[in-house]
Amino acid sequence: RKEVEQDPGPFNVPEGATVAFNCTHSNSASQSFFWYRQDCRKEPKLLMSVYSSGNEDGRFTAQLNRASQYISLLIRDSKLSDSATYLCVVDNFNKFYFGSGTKLNVKP
Amino acid sequence: ETGVTQTPRHLVMGMTNKKSLKCEQHLGHNAMYWYKQSAKKPLELMFVYNFKEQTENNSVPSRFSPECPNSSHLFLHLHTLQPEDSALYLCASSQRGPQETQYFGPGTRLLVL
Repeated sequence: RKEVEQDPGPFNVPEGATVAFNCTHSNSASQSFFWYRQDCRKEPKLLMSVYSSGNEDGRFTAQLNRASQYISLLIRDSKLSDSATYLCVVDNFNKFYFGSGTKLNVKP
Repeated sequence: ETGVTQTPRHLVMGMTNKKSLKCEQHLGHNAMYWYKQSAKKPLELMFVYNFKEQTENNSVPSRFSPECPNSSHLFLHLHTLQPEDSALYLCASSQRGPQETQYFGPGTRLLVL
């Protein structure tokens, strides 16, 4: 079983839509969680860190359910520039595990 | 953004060549990492260095040889690679401790012919 599992997508949504990505992880002892964004042929860039039950940053909301080992990312009012692959990352005692990513295409 | 830099950005090499990838971090971090990213696969951790000491070798073939002369620089020496080693090689750095976060360089896109 993979350490971190994500739906690969792609999610094709119109501008202005709300879209949610889910991520599950296999280690209940994991401490920290992250969402990274990766554009085509570029490096991953940190989008949000998730240390408690969740946090919000503008149009982006991350939620964490420790008991279910589940992390989500909600994007409201999608922009064309949100098109990218979103990577779920789990930190197990300073060892980082990456999901394969969920691809988002925002269309005009 | 120049927190973590990598050179070269692109590299084409034959299977008999020897080359090196370079990574430098300007963030004052004390840990550095090499990852491999192949098409449609998650990032694979290759090596971890804490305070210049290698703490993780994730079953990487010996044709990949890392070197960390100080906490700001990291190299990946390549020799007798195989075509399946073609991938994006990403360097990252972090500051060990609570709420540790990794920051990535732009990567070296490697093609082995």
